[in-house]
Amino acid sequence: QSVLTQPPSVSAAPGQKVTISCSGSTSNIGSNYVSWYQQLPGTAPKLLIYESNKRPSGIPDRFSGSKSGTSATLGITGLQTGDEADYYCGTWDSSLSVGVFGGGTKLTIL
Amino acid sequence: QVQLVESGGSVVQPGRSLRLSCEASGFTFSRYGMHWVRQAPGKGLEWVAVISDDGSNKYYGDSVQGRFTISRDSSKSALYLQMNGLRADDTAVYYCARGRIGGYSYGLDYWGQGTLVTVSS
Repeated sequence: QSVLTQPPSVSAAPGQKVTISCSGSTSNIGSNYVSWYQQLPGTAPKLLIYESNKRPSGIPDRFSGSKSGTSATLGITGLQTGDEADYYCGTWDSSLSVGVFGGGTKLTIL
Repeated sequence: QVQLVESGGSVVQPGRSLRLSCEASGFTFSRYGMHWVRQAPGKGLEWVAVISDDGSNKYYGDSVQGRFTISRDSSKSALYLQMNGLRADDTAVYYCARGRIGGYSYGLDYWGQGTLVTVSS
């Protein structure tokens, strides 16, 4: 059971938009930044969003992040077949002094 | 360019020990906190441990607390994970990752390719 809660799967057609939610608590998301990671099959995770809503250089603006209270959301617009991957949210839990991840969401492009 | 290369993964019997290494290059290693994250076969990411830039602070996940020890050698730009009392549920790909400067919630911006640890008799 992960500390952060994500939907196990989402799906959408090419060109459409999808959002992935990440729910936590006041000690983790509520008081810290959230990061999002993309893991393509057979590869290491890759940072997509840091400090809740910032994109590293090279990440297209089709990817966006937001945070409100104890929840965070990853948005992906203009879906492409290459976006099919597992997506994870992550942050720090200040009460437990541990890093925490969501259980992951598998994005399927229909 | 930033590179993180893990090594040391292997097949090991339950109860035995193993030490993983992560060789860093392309950045000033001593300025960054470093993390270990693992992924069991077919499962999600699990955070394992972090060590601060100067090595003075270390934190561990509940499942490895008391069995695993994270350390670093900045003279060698190397990160280590000493794993004792290994159990079957420690079987996973272990990734080292660089923490962004600013704090532990600022994101993990570079990851290694991972090294596989299999605990089995």
